[in-house]
Amino acid sequence: EAEVAQSPRYKITEKSQAVAFWCDPISGHATLYWYRQILGQGPELLVQFQDESVVDDSQLPKDRFSAERLKGVDSTLKIQPAELGDSAMYLCASSLVTGRTDTQYFGPGTRLTVL
Amino acid sequence: QQQVKQSPQSLIVQKGGISIINCAYENTAFDYFPWYQQFPGKGPALLIAIRPDVSEKKEGRFTISFNKSAKQFSLHIMDSQPGDSATYFCAANPGSARQLTFGSGTQLTVLP
Repeated sequence: EAEVAQSPRYKITEKSQAVAFWCDPISGHATLYWYRQILGQGPELLVQFQDESVVDDSQLPKDRFSAERLKGVDSTLKIQPAELGDSAMYLCASSLVTGRTDTQYFGPGTRLTVL
Repeated sequence: QQQVKQSPQSLIVQKGGISIINCAYENTAFDYFPWYQQFPGKGPALLIAIRPDVSEKKEGRFTISFNKSAKQFSLHIMDSQPGDSATYFCAANPGSARQLTFGSGTQLTVLP
């Protein structure tokens, strides 16, 4: 069964350093989401792509976060500089819209710890 | 502003019992309501989903009950098993290719 791939699985960094996360969606899925999940809470959207275009980045802290999906396939989320409050699980999800069906499939996530 | 409220925060059930998790939403534009199951260190996995044109959907031991007028929906897990111990999230979105708004999660523990 196809899965969303993410790397790294775990990342420990110091405050003010730069970090980057990678996501490879399920093949053929045009829509890609990056969510952030703080421990004990539900995921919250950071950015949504449709193919290579950003559809919604209203909740992305653009002063330090950036995201790209240059060829409309895999995607990278970057944080520079990282802050203590960025410690969280970063989840990537992808979906293929067929009619009214739009199941979002999540990857295993990247657990970020900022020291 | 939290748009999907989930309760309880934690739930302990004996093996074979029924687990019930409730969610309430505010946004009347929501028309897709999935439930996700998440194990520690893993990403959420879709369990079951419903649209508001039906009041109930059952898949195996899992049932969603939906009350459109009350803007509430719930997950029932029949014959709960220790392997069901996980965190469950309700979610909603207003249509295809739209972000999911998640509840705060329920940590379910099924005792053997």
